Amino acid sequence: DAGITQSPRYKITETGRQVTLMCHQTWSHSYMFWYRQDLGHGLRLIYYSAAADITDKGEVPDGYVVSRSKTENFPLTLESATRSQTSVYFCASSETQQALYGYTFGSGTRLTVV
Amino acid sequence: AQSVTQLGSHVSVSEGALVLLRCNYSSSVPPYLFWYVQYPNQGLQLLLKYTSAATLVKGINGFEAEFKKSETSFHLTKPSAHMSDAAEYFCAVSGYTNAGKSTFGDGTTLTVKP
Repeated sequence: DAGITQSPRYKITETGRQVTLMCHQTWSHSYMFWYRQDLGHGLRLIYYSAAADITDKGEVPDGYVVSRSKTENFPLTLESATRSQTSVYFCASSETQQALYGYTFGSGTRLTVV
Repeated sequence: AQSVTQLGSHVSVSEGALVLLRCNYSSSVPPYLFWYVQYPNQGLQLLLKYTSAATLVKGINGFEAEFKKSETSFHLTKPSAHMSDAAEYFCAVSGYTNAGKSTFGDGTTLTVKP
């Protein structure tokens, strides 16, 4: 089924461990984004990508790493997880630079760091 | 630079009553504006968008929004609330200089009372 698939849906990890959240889209959209959603903060941009091999930092990039070797995949890695990274993470994609058609979002990954 | 302010983190209406969710934006370039809806444990879904065409925009599920440049507002309305409208709503702004990035408001939770 076409769309954006995030995996896993739920993840519990320990402080200090590395964890990777996966994002796969089937539309070949150029632009992809990672946001985190926390109560009282809305959605905050972590990283974004304009195309394969082109990535840039967003508002809250510290402690995260991204890569985009293929257009359809945009994994987010927490190098050494901390409790402050407990959050719901959303991947999104956009067809155009100006997001003229809005974003398409995945269903999210709920990450708990203990 | 761009930003969004959603007035009221929680709005409660009775079933059948008017829904009004407020959004004010700030943008240094002509904005593109969006409303998204998020149901529990789901990703965000695009409700409607303004991209410099008609100032009154109609979206899905009977929602509409009016772009008012003089007031820098993009309020979301629905004439008659339904129980199924209960969700969290996000206003977002983008612009042609922002490399596809959208900035989201903190969200408004809509409760519909029977």
